[in-house]
Amino acid sequence: EVQLVESGGGLVQPGGSLRLSCAASGFSFSDYWMMWVRQAPGKGLEWLANIKYDGSDKYYGDSVKGRFTVSRDNTKNSLFLEMDRLRDDDTAVYYCARTNSHALFFWGQGTLVTVSS
Amino acid sequence: QSALTQPASVSGSPGQSITISCTGTNSDVGAYYLVSWYQQHPDKAPKLMIFGVSDRPSGVSSRFSGSKSGNTASLTISGLQAEDEADYYCCSFAGTSYVFGTGTKVTVL
Repeated sequence: EVQLVESGGGLVQPGGSLRLSCAASGFSFSDYWMMWVRQAPGKGLEWLANIKYDGSDKYYGDSVKGRFTVSRDNTKNSLFLEMDRLRDDDTAVYYCARTNSHALFFWGQGTLVTVSS
Repeated sequence: QSALTQPASVSGSPGQSITISCTGTNSDVGAYYLVSWYQQHPDKAPKLMIFGVSDRPSGVSSRFSGSKSGNTASLTISGLQAEDEADYYCCSFAGTSYVFGTGTKVTVL
């Protein structure tokens, strides 16, 4: 069974940093592109970043480019999102997802990040 | 990267069919057959319902179907059921990025 479990969310002050993790199991992690998506309270979904199966290619949405960094450790079946210079509008539930054919086939349960002073 | 445009809400009675539109541009929806649709119930993670414009993942009911014409993709739910009441989002590949739709709340009357 495919499982994706995010962790690392919490309360952080504006300008601060946070590192999210996504632990994958039930599939061959190193075979798949992975993605981060977020959803602000009461709002829609927003694509943030995705990373190639071997980590060699990474792409970012305009709202996080230069502030967020996606990475992965295939030896530990883990995906990461390093978030710097956090702003109030980064408050959201952050999801990791496994992609195939440019669609998000499996999602984690999400982790809440709250940016507030 | 402007969000794809969806109607804010669509409603229908049980057994009826409804269609949700998703309008983009010739840089995203119109350029690729790579539109996907997601269902999200309150406080739950989204679930993939359609990929590649019209393909259904294993386990998704055949009541859900997708199509595309030009820059507009559509999701049709036939034989509407109470459990279909949820938010629905489209998503399109756009070259090196992805863009989601604004979301549609489906209400079963």
